[in-house]
Amino acid sequence: AQSVTQLDSQVPVFEEAPVELRCNYSSSVSVYLFWYVQYPNQGLQLLLKYLSGSTLVKGINGFEAEFNKSQTSFHLRKPSVHISDTAEYFCAVSATGTASKLTFGTGTRLQVTL
Amino acid sequence: KAGVTQTPRYLIKTRGQQVTLSCSPISGHRSVSWYQQTPGQGLQFLFEYFSETQRNKGNFPGRFSGRQFSNSRSEMNVSTLELGDSALYLCASSRDYLQGAPGNTIYFGEGSWLTVV
Repeated sequence: AQSVTQLDSQVPVFEEAPVELRCNYSSSVSVYLFWYVQYPNQGLQLLLKYLSGSTLVKGINGFEAEFNKSQTSFHLRKPSVHISDTAEYFCAVSATGTASKLTFGTGTRLQVTL
Repeated sequence: KAGVTQTPRYLIKTRGQQVTLSCSPISGHRSVSWYQQTPGQGLQFLFEYFSETQRNKGNFPGRFSGRQFSNSRSEMNVSTLELGDSALYLCASSRDYLQGAPGNTIYFGEGSWLTVV
């Protein structure tokens, strides 16, 4: 089975500052990794995903994430955030062999202020 | 094209009652998954249906059930509601049933907010 840990439940940051949202996973098999974003009163939307190959993955809205197999991490970064980035961010994992379901972390609330 | 539609968006129920939530997937999608979202717990997988068959199930009690119709629309039912069932219930649809597969992007609805009093 897979599990995901998002250590930070909330991350406050000023507009135009950089941000990193942390995600660590646990799995005995190879995994696919995902980041989803949930804006207020909306469903989840895929930001980016790591399947294989280059460990640096670029997604929508200027976000990127880096897969680190040795540290079992998949941290999400953005060099300069905007007010509109305020949302809940979820890291998720699935096993490459079965890919039968996604396991989500508990989420990180990114609060961007002026 | 139309996204994933969930109804009702908000509802309040009393302990002991039952509730039925509905989900209409994106046209052409045959897989529907259900998640429960609560503060601090994140998203917990309930079950997944594909072509009217339950393909995967999470660790929820038997009070939680679901079904899928021939047009891929899905319903989930919670019987004998408890206060702890208060949550946002999210439905997600995808073309194939392997929702974790890289080529099978899942799309979420806006959810149904259930409050049990």
